[in-house]
Amino acid sequence: EAAVTQSPRNKVTVTGGNVTLSCRQTNSHNYMYWYRQDTGHGLRLIHYSYGAGNLQIGDVPDGYKATRTTQEDFFLLLELASPSQTSLYFCASRDWGDTQYFGPGTRLLVL
Amino acid sequence: GDSVTQTEGPVTVSESESLIINCTYSATSIAYPNLFWYVRYPGEGLQLLLKVITAGQKGSSRGFEATYNKETTSFHLQKASVQESDSAVYYCALGEGGIFFGDGTQLVVKP
Repeated sequence: EAAVTQSPRNKVTVTGGNVTLSCRQTNSHNYMYWYRQDTGHGLRLIHYSYGAGNLQIGDVPDGYKATRTTQEDFFLLLELASPSQTSLYFCASRDWGDTQYFGPGTRLLVL
Repeated sequence: GDSVTQTEGPVTVSESESLIINCTYSATSIAYPNLFWYVRYPGEGLQLLLKVITAGQKGSSRGFEATYNKETTSFHLQKASVQESDSAVYYCALGEGGIFFGDGTQLVVKP
């Protein structure tokens, strides 16, 4: 079965710290996405990509970088983490029918 | 901009009662958005419940139905008789590629 995996599942860092969140999909999908979800709210799109080497800006990109190294791997980078980036982060891949397949999420706490 | 508004939760219903979760959308940048309902069951990841890509059509899955109404810009989720296993958080979403999510509606079904 197609799968999207994320690592780490939980992460604690300090203000100003450097964090990399990883996502891998085995769906052979071209599109991949990074979202954040804050308590009581829906998912908001940070960045997305339609292939290796490509990056598109989402709705809430400030403070985040991303890199798509291969079709399978998509990374989200927080180079100077701030407490406002404490959130639940989801990665997803998308098929040609526009259905997204989500990973289990990474909980990030910035102290 | 593009946005989704849905019933604020939690919504509590008794088993075998009917359910409607309202969803209305605004699609200013997407001429023909696809509409989705995603669901997160307790302890599980976010997954697609149903989708409709053509205005006027109805999608259905697991006893749930939703009709894409372009005139009223609505995509309400309905079920005639809920079960305790339907307890979950339901998200309405629209988009074409990257998608906009509503804030989610927690459904609690009492036995």
